[in-house]
Amino acid sequence: KQEVTQIPAALSVPEGENLVLNCSFTDSAIYNLQWFRQDPGKGLTSLLLIQSSQREQTSGRLNASLDKSSGRSTLYIAASQPGDSATYLCAPRAGNTGKLIFGQGTTLQVKP
Amino acid sequence: KAGVTQTPRYLIKTRGQQVTLSCSPISGHRSVSWYQQTPGQGLQFLFEYFSETQRNKGNFPGRFSGRQFSNSRSEMNVSTLELGDSALYLCASSLGLAGAIYSFEQYFGPGTRLTVT
Repeated sequence: KQEVTQIPAALSVPEGENLVLNCSFTDSAIYNLQWFRQDPGKGLTSLLLIQSSQREQTSGRLNASLDKSSGRSTLYIAASQPGDSATYLCAPRAGNTGKLIFGQGTTLQVKP
Repeated sequence: KAGVTQTPRYLIKTRGQQVTLSCSPISGHRSVSWYQQTPGQGLQFLFEYFSETQRNKGNFPGRFSGRQFSNSRSEMNVSTLELGDSALYLCASSLGLAGAIYSFEQYFGPGTRLTVT
């Protein structure tokens, strides 16, 4: 059974810092992994999808890496801004399905 | 392109009643998945529908059911509501086609907030 852990659970930083959010999963037989952000009381916004054959995926100030063999993914946020404040969730996908297993998320607060 | 829409956005029901939630996927998406989000359990997968067939099911009791229509719109139903069913119910859609890169990238709707009293 896939289990996903995200560290840290919460993070508060001043604006401008570079951040690293960690995600680990117990079953390395994944098809891909998706990173999302969620604003309070809202739905999820897809940030990046990284295929199992990829090592990295980049979108603007965001960079996600994947080490499938060790069951780890990292989301790197460069030059953080107050608008980045949200909960960040990682979710590996086991196969050609819509089923995602979520971690509990990292709640990020970026202070002006 | 319009995003995933869910109706209603908020719902208050009494214990023992039943409820139906609706989800309209992004145009062209054939896979619809449902998730329940609570503060204690986080996000949990309920089920996935593809081309009107249930393709995957999570570990929820039979009171939770769903269906998908020929236009890919989906509904989920919860019968005999319990207090613990109070949650944010999220729907996500994707192309859902095996072998197509990024086909399973999921896009979420805003959710339906269900409160059971």
